[in-house]
Amino acid sequence: GQNIDQPTEMTATEGAIVQINCTYQTSGFNGLFWYQQHAGEAPTFLSYNVLDGLEEKGRFSSFLSRSKGYSYLLLKELQMKDSASYLCAVRDPQAGTALIFGKGTTLSVSS
Amino acid sequence: KAGVTQTPRYLIKTRGQQVTLSCSPISGHRSVSWYQQTPGQGLQFLFEYFSETQRNKGNFPGRFSGRQFSNSRSEMNVSTLELGDSALYLCASSWKENNEQFFGPGTRLTVL
Repeated sequence: GQNIDQPTEMTATEGAIVQINCTYQTSGFNGLFWYQQHAGEAPTFLSYNVLDGLEEKGRFSSFLSRSKGYSYLLLKELQMKDSASYLCAVRDPQAGTALIFGKGTTLSVSS
Repeated sequence: KAGVTQTPRYLIKTRGQQVTLSCSPISGHRSVSWYQQTPGQGLQFLFEYFSETQRNKGNFPGRFSGRQFSNSRSEMNVSTLELGDSALYLCASSWKENNEQFFGPGTRLTVL
């Protein structure tokens, strides 16, 4: 089967660092994506990992361990505008090119 | 470059009716995927089209169908609407099948 788990909710304060974890169990693996979705808006692409290791892009970094079926999204220097839902998605070649999404982590940033 | 556009943005239908949603991908993108998003189930894959061919289909009943035109625009159709079909329907396009997907703003469908 296919299963992607993320925490449902997280809270943090401005300026802090937060790590959102994602674990996955899929038949195959061909890449892991992180998307950000503000309420009422479309998901926007944040990062893509296909090999083990850390990918850094400004205040956002994403890590992947394929052997552990694990990824995290690290957000640094949090800002109020980072309050959103963060979606982890895996591409499983056994499911074609479809993205299999977790249910998302709602992050609330307070001042 | 314009993003993915979806029409209509909001739609209210009653049970038993049918609905057609439209998606225009980013210019040059040939792959279009459709997803259903609900609070309980999150984002679930419906189907993907590439060069007018359905390449992949999710686990949804046959009431859900779609097609893609030669200009890469895509439509999805839901027949015999049920209350549970109320959801945000998102379309995403990518240049090729395995590339990053760019999402449109979605169509919010409410079935009464």
